[in-house]
Amino acid sequence: DAGVTQSPTHLIKTRGQHVTLRCSPISGHKSVSWYQQVLGQGPQFIFQYYEKEERGRGNFPDRFSARQFPNYSSELNVNALLLGDSALYLCASSLGLLVETQYFGPGTRLLVL
Amino acid sequence: TQLLEQSPQFLSIQEGENLTVYCNSSSVFSSLQWYRQEPGEGPVLLVTVVTGGEVKKLKRLTFQFGDARKDSSLHITAAQPGDTGLYLCADRSGNTGKLIFGQGTTLQVKP
Repeated sequence: DAGVTQSPTHLIKTRGQHVTLRCSPISGHKSVSWYQQVLGQGPQFIFQYYEKEERGRGNFPDRFSARQFPNYSSELNVNALLLGDSALYLCASSLGLLVETQYFGPGTRLLVL
Repeated sequence: TQLLEQSPQFLSIQEGENLTVYCNSSSVFSSLQWYRQEPGEGPVLLVTVVTGGEVKKLKRLTFQFGDARKDSSLHITAAQPGDTGLYLCADRSGNTGKLIFGQGTTLQVKP
């Protein structure tokens, strides 16, 4: 079975632009979470979605938004990009909302110039 | 807000050496997890520990959970170049699926 997939793998944007990152969870998984990992740091929680509803939100500005589709895939949107948004964006999927094991995708590397 | 502190931040050793990395929490862990992340990849779960004093072994890796459930250690015996990566500890936050991560320990094992 395929693991968590994310697209694109790399992305370069300029300040002020908008970006959309995509995630497909493992088949059968209904929960998707998004994390931001700045170089040299651990991942920071952005959002969790379960059954197409937002179930958790981290300490990120309103420029960050996400949604989950009926097939449980998810998009993360970031508006008005700042240099500080440059990071690895990780998607993780799990069977349910409170299931212990989350499976991470390889991430999307975003560079904002 | 719970803070997880890992030490050391960076470790460079020769193949065959032993090492220990640490994770300390500002509050009692709910469900401590250890991950390894290789360059260009997402974190991969190594182990979950929930009971104070628990010790788990995964081949050459030994995970120990403190009695008070506020600290943990990861010991690697006879490190190999394949052990190179970023080691992260994480805790599940309350009654959610949110994971709180430490900043990680970057391990480099030289042949």
